[in-house]
Amino acid sequence: DAGVIQSPRHEVTEMGQEVTLRCKPISGHNSLFWYRQTMMRGLELLIYFNNNVPIDDSGMPEDRFSAKMPNASFSTLKIQPSEPRDSAVYFCASIQTGTNSPLHFGNGTRLTVT
Amino acid sequence: QKEVEQNSGPLSVPEGAIASLNCTYSDRVSQSFFWYRQYSGKSPELIMSIYSNGDKEDGRFTAQLNKASQYVSLLIRDSQPSDSATYLCAGKGNNRLAFGKGNQVVVIP
Repeated sequence: DAGVIQSPRHEVTEMGQEVTLRCKPISGHNSLFWYRQTMMRGLELLIYFNNNVPIDDSGMPEDRFSAKMPNASFSTLKIQPSEPRDSAVYFCASIQTGTNSPLHFGNGTRLTVT
Repeated sequence: QKEVEQNSGPLSVPEGAIASLNCTYSDRVSQSFFWYRQYSGKSPELIMSIYSNGDKEDGRFTAQLNKASQYVSLLIRDSQPSDSATYLCAGKGNNRLAFGKGNQVVVIP
């Protein structure tokens, strides 16, 4: 089991640029979550998908943020245009709902916007 | 009220002592509760889950749930330097997990 795979691990970009974060959930997991972690706000849920369908995007901070899940094995989180306050660690996590299995996190993407 | 709150600051405990962590939760996350451990620069990993009132023990860890008072606690017995990490409390509601901000634990050898 390869676990949840996120790319890139680190991203440094200039303000105004587009940023795309990628996630491959664990095979067989039907729910995928995007979280953002900062010292000030902790781990915040941005959006989650169930069976590739966005269920709750109330945590997405602004229209600059968008997420897609075109199939069961791939999701993206896009920020356009990026701003310095978007600097954070972004985690993707997946789970098989209806079981007692835990939420599995990827290694995260550390985003720095200068 | 935030869904899950952890208000304590960093906790320093001597090696071998008991570390005690608490969190409170709102009605929006009342299905089940979890404690995650996060080492610096790493992703959170699940260490305990608890679904019903009372205590649940797993090795040196004990989780306690009190639904009437809406709080969850974690006890770490015989603390080791390897327990030094941030501990995140999480509650499940509407098929997703809400996390507290976490408590940093430092075990002093």
